[in-house]
Amino acid sequence: DAGVIQSPRHEVTEMGQEVTLRCKPISGHDYLFWYRQTMMRGLELLIYFNNNVPIDDSGMPEDRFSAKMPNASFSTLKIQPSEPRDSAVYFCASSQLGIGYEQYFGPGTRLTVT
Amino acid sequence: GDSVTQMEGPVTLSEEACLTINCTYTATGYPSLFWYVQYPGEGLQLLLKATKADDKGSNKGFEATYRKETTSFHLEKGSVQVSDSAVYFCALSGGGSYIPTFGRGTSLIVHP
Repeated sequence: DAGVIQSPRHEVTEMGQEVTLRCKPISGHDYLFWYRQTMMRGLELLIYFNNNVPIDDSGMPEDRFSAKMPNASFSTLKIQPSEPRDSAVYFCASSQLGIGYEQYFGPGTRLTVT
Repeated sequence: GDSVTQMEGPVTLSEEACLTINCTYTATGYPSLFWYVQYPGEGLQLLLKATKADDKGSNKGFEATYRKETTSFHLEKGSVQVSDSAVYFCALSGGGSYIPTFGRGTSLIVHP
């Protein structure tokens, strides 16, 4: 398996623009997670899905952020409009869940909003 | 709720020195415990895990033992290499929730 795939790897955009991050989880994994990592706040869980259904989005910072999972092999995280404070590395991870199951992380998307 | 506390970094060592990164947790039930490693510019990857009390996880010379009595899962390595320089995250799942809980991460810097 190719592992979790994320695109783009780097994104530079101007404040106010829409940004869409993409993720392809590992086949057969029924949970998908979106994280944000910054120096100040560390690793933050934004939202997670089970069988394509959003379960908990309490970590989404505000209404400018939205996430979808239209099928088992694809998810998007959208920021509209983007702001400089959204600059971070965004990770997607997938897992089978239960005691003892680890998460598999993608390489991340480094977002810079100027 | 569940929580994980790691020692703050950075931890700076010379090559071949011994490493210990402390991790303690608070959880209900019987969680599984994990150490993940993040190399520069990459995502987190599993380093080792333990699923029940007294289990020892090991990988690439790293070890950690699940200590229920002290609620700890300290990461150890007898002789570190420059290539071990990375950020190490302690995590748990299956306590109050199956959703993983991560520590803040500890940066390790190994000098030649």
